[in-house]
Amino acid sequence: EVQLVESGGGLVQPGGSLRLSCAASGFTFSRSWMSWVRQTSGKGLEWVANIKHDGSEKHYVASVKGRFTISRDNARNSLYLQMDSLRAEDTAVYYCARWYSSGWYGGFDSWGQGTLVTVSS
Amino acid sequence: EIVLTQSPGTLSLSPGERATLSCRASQSVSSSFLAWYQQKPGQAPRFLIYGTSNRATGIPDRFSGSGSGTDFTLTISRLEPEDFAVYYCQQYGSSPWTFGQGTKVEIK
Repeated sequence: EVQLVESGGGLVQPGGSLRLSCAASGFTFSRSWMSWVRQTSGKGLEWVANIKHDGSEKHYVASVKGRFTISRDNARNSLYLQMDSLRAEDTAVYYCARWYSSGWYGGFDSWGQGTLVTVSS
Repeated sequence: EIVLTQSPGTLSLSPGERATLSCRASQSVSSSFLAWYQQKPGQAPRFLIYGTSNRATGIPDRFSGSGSGTDFTLTISRLEPEDFAVYYCQQYGSSPWTFGQGTKVEIK
């Protein structure tokens, strides 16, 4: 059974940093593209970043470029999101999600339970 | 950035009725790279449809997807009690990948 378990969320002041982790199990992590997706009550779901199975490609939504860094450790079956220079608008539930591919098509077929990040003074 | 607009915002229906949810893109979605998800309160989204019309593993055949270009539809042929939830479309044809704002299907 695929399992994704996020950790590392919490309350942080504007301008601060936080590192999220996602522990993966039940599948061959090193063969999967992985993403972080966040959700706010105001803006709904927002894709944040993704990373290729070997870490050689990374992509970000414009609003986090230069502030967030996605990374992975395939030996530890873990995904990370380093978040720096945090802003109030980064407040959200952050999900770790696995990208499923079938030929050219795909989707996020497995999600963690989410971890809440609150940016506030 | 491709903006996805879902309509209606809320759909009030009874069990057994047919639900038709719309997802309209601000520009053409490449090669029908569109997916649908279901989300219930307090839960993560659940993967329903990929490539516009392909059901994900374990998804009942009462769920179907269709469309192309800028107009896509998710149809639930006969609503079961467990289908009342929020539904999101998502495009992955161009970066950044984007989601619609959601359609809530509620019990009438």
